[in-house]
Amino acid sequence: AQKITQTQPGMFVQEKEAVTLDCTYDTSDPSYGLFWYKQPSSGEMIFLIYQGSYDQQNATEGRYSLNFQKARKSANLVISASQLGDSAMYFCAMREGALYSSASKIIFGSGTRLSIRP
Amino acid sequence: EPEVTQTPSHQVTQMGQEVILRCVPISNHLYFYWYRQILGQKVEFLVSFYNNEISEKSEIFDDQFSVERPDGSNFTLKIRSTKLEDSAMYFCASSELLSTDTQYFGPGTRLTVL
Repeated sequence: AQKITQTQPGMFVQEKEAVTLDCTYDTSDPSYGLFWYKQPSSGEMIFLIYQGSYDQQNATEGRYSLNFQKARKSANLVISASQLGDSAMYFCAMREGALYSSASKIIFGSGTRLSIRP
Repeated sequence: EPEVTQTPSHQVTQMGQEVILRCVPISNHLYFYWYRQILGQKVEFLVSFYNNEISEKSEIFDDQFSVERPDGSNFTLKIRSTKLEDSAMYFCASSELLSTDTQYFGPGTRLTVL
């Protein structure tokens, strides 16, 4: 079974609009972390935002916020006031296990390609 | 801002040759990782490394792969005898142990096996 599901292979959004990228996850571990990474066409993987499973507040980083709904096992990324430079592939990812455990691999979703129209 | 660096950015090799991909993790980080991304596919975990030994590895990380931290700054991935299907982008990542488990990725090395 897929651990991380991103159901939107591609999205087109008008510049300056807000956009929500969907992510659902599956885990039986009570302790986990959720990440969003951005991959521009140049190929690098840029960390955007992190949400821990025990965090009470939704994470925010500038124009990025994570809409964390634990009961629904969803961790959607919201980008406010989109810019042309936001055009990229976006990956949702999860790390299972306690923060200080030795097992710390990240599992990635298949990604959503976001295109911002001027 | 500190960052993970990787060299080379692009490596072309013949099938059967050995390649070594190099990474310099962020200096105060203690966990190191290798991931790969075959063109158009998901990013896949290969191996994690802590305290000079492998912590975890995936089924992809077979006997053809090895990792090493030869000195205090470098972290390498060696593929002994490359196959066509090893062609991919290889990402190194590192994380700080205590305060957060965010993994910061390097820019990647694109490996092309001919």
